[in-house]
Amino acid sequence: AQKITQTQPGMFVQEKEAVTLDCTYDTSDQSYGLFWYKQPSSGEMIFLIYQGSYDEQNATEGRYSLNFQKARKSANLVISASQLGDSAMYFCAMDNQGGKLIFGQGTELSVKP
Amino acid sequence: EAQVTQNPRYLITVTGKKLTVTCSQNMNHEYMSWYRQDPGLGLRQIYYSMNVEVTDKGDVPEGYKVSRKEKRNFPLILESPSPNQTSLYFCASSFLGQENEKLFFGSGTQLSVL
Repeated sequence: AQKITQTQPGMFVQEKEAVTLDCTYDTSDQSYGLFWYKQPSSGEMIFLIYQGSYDEQNATEGRYSLNFQKARKSANLVISASQLGDSAMYFCAMDNQGGKLIFGQGTELSVKP
Repeated sequence: EAQVTQNPRYLITVTGKKLTVTCSQNMNHEYMSWYRQDPGLGLRQIYYSMNVEVTDKGDVPEGYKVSRKEKRNFPLILESPSPNQTSLYFCASSFLGQENEKLFFGSGTQLSVL
């Protein structure tokens, strides 16, 4: 069965520093996609970044990068130069391209001034 | 503006009183899905639909029904709500067939069943 695990329920980071949010996954599919979403306190879900299982390079989107280690089945999100507005819940998700997108439990990130 | 519209935003009801949460998207997406979000559990998929008249169960379908009679609409029906269905619900949609198709989410519906 597919599974996504985020082992950090909560994290703190100092403003302007980098932070890594962990995500490991389990699947027997060869083709899959990995996503990260941000959920601020207002509740909406915001897409951040995508990594395909066949992509050889790590995905980057501005201050967000995805550290994809396929053999270890990990897809950690790295946020560089943290800002106060980065304080939110972050969800890792996996799509097997068959219609089922599963999410991890989430990590609540707090950025300290 | 491209969007997924969910209604209502907040809903308080009593056990056993049938309710429907509506979801509509204006992006001509084939794929639509419902999730519930509970603290410590993340988002769990209730039902999804790959196209009109095609629906399938997600991980937590018990107590819910859906229909996809039109491409743009995907209502979630609770025939006899119970307190354990108190949760934050999200509808989402996307295109199919492209590798990095991200989901577009609605604003969420906070449901309380008393």
